[in-house]
Amino acid sequence: QVHLQESGPGLVKPSVTLSLTCTVSGDSINNGDYYWGWVRQPPQKGLEWIGYISDSGSTYYNPSLKSRVTLSLDTSKNHFSLKVNSVTVADTAVYYCARVPLPGDYFDNWGQGTLVTVSS
Amino acid sequence: SYQLTQPPSVSVSPGQTANITCFGDKLGDKYTYWYQQKPGQSPVVVIFQSDKRPSGIPERFSGSSSGMTATLTISGTQAVDEADYYCQAWDSQTAVFGGGTELIVL
Repeated sequence: QVHLQESGPGLVKPSVTLSLTCTVSGDSINNGDYYWGWVRQPPQKGLEWIGYISDSGSTYYNPSLKSRVTLSLDTSKNHFSLKVNSVTVADTAVYYCARVPLPGDYFDNWGQGTLVTVSS
Repeated sequence: SYQLTQPPSVSVSPGQTANITCFGDKLGDKYTYWYQQKPGQSPVVVIFQSDKRPSGIPERFSGSSSGMTATLTISGTQAVDEADYYCQAWDSQTAVFGGGTELIVL
């Protein structure tokens, strides 16, 4: 049974870079069978897809966030990471990492989510 | 950019049928996925590829899609089904979510 767990600071200041990591257990992120992505949810609002990364490092981003977002993966630690540059209060959200078997498929496993608050 | 539109809320009495709609340009030509999210929990898919139900999801959940509309139907709605429901589709290798529908069982 695969398990995804987000980690990172719960509070960041405006204009800095937000960094989160998703550690995967029960599966290898470089087995070639899955893509690894991020979805966020501002408080009391809907889901917003951020992007995903393949085991070979190919990345796909939400066009509305592409200029500020970077995804990467570390196969030696079996985790993948998200960076969002120049954050504002609008980036305050619960950030979920999730697995998708193929682009075009559904997110079949999700982390529990981590709340990141952007505030001075 | 591609957009999916859902009603903010749908109300249904216990035991009745709830229909939650999702509108998008030529949505019927794409697969639609439906997620259920309860307060404080991560989303869970209840319908994939527009009309397929993952193992473990009750048979009362079904999906359909045609034209510009995808519909999630919950037959014999139970109080435990009260949650937010999100439709999702793919457009040019990007994932798009609808704004979500709060299902109220009263």
